Amino acid sequence: DIVMTQAPLFSPVTLGQPASISCRSSQSLVHSDGNTYLNWLQLRPGQPPRLLIYQISNRVSGVPDRFSGSGAGTDFTLKISRVEAEDVGVYYCMQATDFPRTFGQGTKVEI
Amino acid sequence: EVQLLESGGGLVQSGGSLRLSCATSGFTSSSYGIAWVRQAPGKGLEWVSTMSGDGHNTHYADSVKGRFTISRDNYKNTVYLQMDSLRVEDAALYYCARDRGPSDLFFAYWGQGTLVTVSS
Repeated sequence: DIVMTQAPLFSPVTLGQPASISCRSSQSLVHSDGNTYLNWLQLRPGQPPRLLIYQISNRVSGVPDRFSGSGAGTDFTLKISRVEAEDVGVYYCMQATDFPRTFGQGTKVEI
Repeated sequence: EVQLLESGGGLVQSGGSLRLSCATSGFTSSSYGIAWVRQAPGKGLEWVSTMSGDGHNTHYADSVKGRFTISRDNYKNTVYLQMDSLRVEDAALYYCARDRGPSDLFFAYWGQGTLVTVSS
């Protein structure tokens, strides 16, 4: 199984300041079709998970451009350029390259 | 508009059974895999199972293999999760989500979740 490891697990942030979350996979996430199925999701209380970023760096329509994803192979990063109050929640990386699908432990972002 | 709606959650005793349903709309169901993902109280997200769009391929987490069965009826645009031999540790909020398909947006669409409670 592919193990996804996030850091930090808790991220106290200041409004207007940047935040960054790291995600490392135990093996390459490059699929046989050449794509890398690394997603970033946001989970807020009382709401279902929300996909923010897919295939490492593609922002989903409607997601603010302060969110960005980067990386390759086994190392990935989610960055929030300027944290806003609505960004509070838990962020997960997940891989959809192989089965079983696996998630990181989650990073709690708090103001 | 793509929508997924779970139902079937509830309270069940340990060792009991429950069947969850995920009704889909707004897309060609048979073209997409559907996944079940759960979140136990105070825990993170855990993938449970995925069935391919044509129903030919199924995948399970080791934690549920042999106890849970995923199936689908593409005429009814519904995916099911039959959960047998339930354990206390299966208690969670269960989501269905759209998995692999023609779109690159795997896991872009989720239902609101259905709560499963397992008593000892």
